[in-house]
Amino acid sequence: QKEVEQNSGPLSVPEGAIASLNCTYSDRGSQSFFWYRQYSGKSPELIMSIYSNGDKEDGRFTAQLNKASQYVSLLIRDSQPSDSATYLCAVVDNRLAFGKGNQVVVIP
Amino acid sequence: GAVVSQHPSWVICKSGTSVKIECRSLDFQATTMFWYRQFPKQSLMLMATSNEGSKATYEQGVEKDKFLINHASLTLSTLTVTSAHPEDSSFYICSARGQGRTDTQYFGPGTRLTVL
Repeated sequence: QKEVEQNSGPLSVPEGAIASLNCTYSDRGSQSFFWYRQYSGKSPELIMSIYSNGDKEDGRFTAQLNKASQYVSLLIRDSQPSDSATYLCAVVDNRLAFGKGNQVVVIP
Repeated sequence: GAVVSQHPSWVICKSGTSVKIECRSLDFQATTMFWYRQFPKQSLMLMATSNEGSKATYEQGVEKDKFLINHASLTLSTLTVTSAHPEDSSFYICSARGQGRTDTQYFGPGTRLTVL
């Protein structure tokens, strides 16, 4: 059974701080990894994709992948109130498997 | 690029009626489209996967005779909820995956279905 796990509980961060989200996956053969952002009542929006070990930066977002340890993380620098959303980790093997999501609340 | 649209964005219908939801890839050809359902405060649940020109593959527990999926072209897939009941009220979201190497899925804006 392929699983994608995200640590539970909402994450509250003050505006301007770094939000750190982690995700682990069970299928060692997974090759493609994504982070989606979902605002309440809206559909998921792709914010990052990563395929190789290491870091990938896009604006204030940095995705980190460690295939040996089977985890992928997302850092949000200089967090803004508009970053308040649920962040979904997704892993592809044959199809896209989602974690349950992490709610991020940025406090002004 | 990679824009996916859905129509309608919301629909309210009476119990027993059928509702059709369209999903279109606007600027790329989608060889595979996916249909998800999401209940309030819950995670996305994959309902089915459809490949252009072939029958959809349904996830365990999803009634294929109730949720009819058609993927007749590389830019359009439809989901028809037949004989809808209040328990079918949910947020239905499609996503599309293009041709070539990319396995990235792009999501449509979703359709909120309310069955009275």
